[in-house]
Amino acid sequence: GQNIDQPTEMTATEGAIVQINCTYQTSGFNGLFWYQQHAGEAPTFLSYNVLDGLEEKGRFSSFLSRSKGYSYLLLKELQMKDSASYLCAVKDSNYQLIWGAGTKLIIKP
Amino acid sequence: DGGITQSPKYLFRKEGQNVTLSCEQNLNHDAMYWYRQDPGQGLRLIYYSQIVNDFQKGDIAEGYSVSREKKESFPLTVTSAQKNPTAFYLCASSTGQGAPTGELFFGEGSRLTVL
Repeated sequence: GQNIDQPTEMTATEGAIVQINCTYQTSGFNGLFWYQQHAGEAPTFLSYNVLDGLEEKGRFSSFLSRSKGYSYLLLKELQMKDSASYLCAVKDSNYQLIWGAGTKLIIKP
Repeated sequence: DGGITQSPKYLFRKEGQNVTLSCEQNLNHDAMYWYRQDPGQGLRLIYYSQIVNDFQKGDIAEGYSVSREKKESFPLTVTSAQKNPTAFYLCASSTGQGAPTGELFFGEGSRLTVL
C-alpha cells in the first residue's frame, strides 16, 4: 500500500530552527508537496520538489531524496505565526496526491 | 481577487438528511477536488473532476455525490447513506493533475456536524 509518515507533533522555540521529516512509499513518484495549515483553516502551498536536492524559499526550505523516499521541511528563525500543521503529500504514478496525517508544530516563546 | 469560495462554513445536519456543500472558483482551473479531513488522518479524496461534465470517484466516494455542470462550480452532496459524515470538508482546484507543479488551491473549508 501507499504510505506517508510524518511525526505527529513537534515543539520548537521562537527564533530557532526546526526540521520536519517525511518518508514515503508510493506507487511511482511525480513530485512532493508541503502545505501549511493553521487550525480550522485551509491548507496553503509551501513548496514542491520533484528533483533531488534543496529548494529554498525565504525562511522555509524543502529537501528531497528520491532514492531514500525522504523529504524534510526546514523552518528557520521561527515565529509564533509558524505554529500550524505541516502536511506532506506525494503525487503517485497516476498523479493522485497521497497525504500524510500532518505534523503539528508548536512554537514556544 | 481570484480564489475558491466554499459555503457554508459551518453546517449542522440531522441524521437522515442530505446536505449540499457549495464550491465556486474563479481561477479558471480545469481540475476540482473534494477532500475530507478527520483528526489524526491525512486528507482523503472523495471525488475529483478534471473537466466539465466529467468526474471520478476518489478513495471514499460512498455516501457522497457531485456534479460539474460549470467549470466554476463543483458542489458536493452528503447523502443520508454516509455513515459518519461529521468532518471538515475541503474543496480545491488546480490547473490539472499533469501540470508541472499542479499545486492545489483550497477553499476555507466547510465543517459539517451531524446532530
